Amino acid sequence: DSGVTQTPKHLITATGQRVTLRCSPRSGDLSVYWYQQSLDQGLQFLIQYYNGEERAKGNILERFSAQQFPDLHSELNLSSLELGDSALYFCASSVTAHTYEQYFGPGTRLTVT
Amino acid sequence: AQTVTQSQPEMSVQEAETVTLSCTYDTSENNYYLFWYKQPPSRQMILVIRQEAYKQQNATENRFSVNFQKAAKSFSLKISDSQLGDTAMYFCAFMKLAGTASKLTFGTGTRLQVTL
Repeated sequence: DSGVTQTPKHLITATGQRVTLRCSPRSGDLSVYWYQQSLDQGLQFLIQYYNGEERAKGNILERFSAQQFPDLHSELNLSSLELGDSALYFCASSVTAHTYEQYFGPGTRLTVT
Repeated sequence: AQTVTQSQPEMSVQEAETVTLSCTYDTSENNYYLFWYKQPPSRQMILVIRQEAYKQQNATENRFSVNFQKAAKSFSLKISDSQLGDTAMYFCAFMKLAGTASKLTFGTGTRLQVTL
């Protein structure tokens, strides 16, 4: 158990819908990262937050957005969902933005039908 | 942009034997970190081992060790005394620290099967 929690574990929704994935980092970790794992794209970095502020952006679609709240939990919002958004979404956390060791949560499996 | 290449999609090894997984990367950076992550059937991402580019000594963690060749941009993982529990996908990953930003760039993975 890495100490990073993600909810829900599984999510099934229809095309065009909007969902919110939630992540709670390890106690004391200030930095949160979101990654997407899909069959055709592999593991891809989406976005990083540090202490409430966006720090780095990867291949994140405009339909996707994220934020980190004052209590340091983070949410990833996915809207206008398409079949191709079906994937495993991971959250990871680290102590600081400079710490290289990232601890991954168990992931949220999103299925878009 | 950095790229990470794992040229072995699948490998198999017998229990108690040794196996080496290959990884090469491309970067113009001088300071970076390299990692191997394990993803068992549970899909959890587990950090196996890390290597700082400025360190010449190869990292070791129990039965896991790396062969880091900076000039060749090669970072292979050796698993000794393979166990059934080592069956998993293994991902090589690169990290460059840019100010307060850090992200992992992953390879496509190698599926390792440990057999009796």
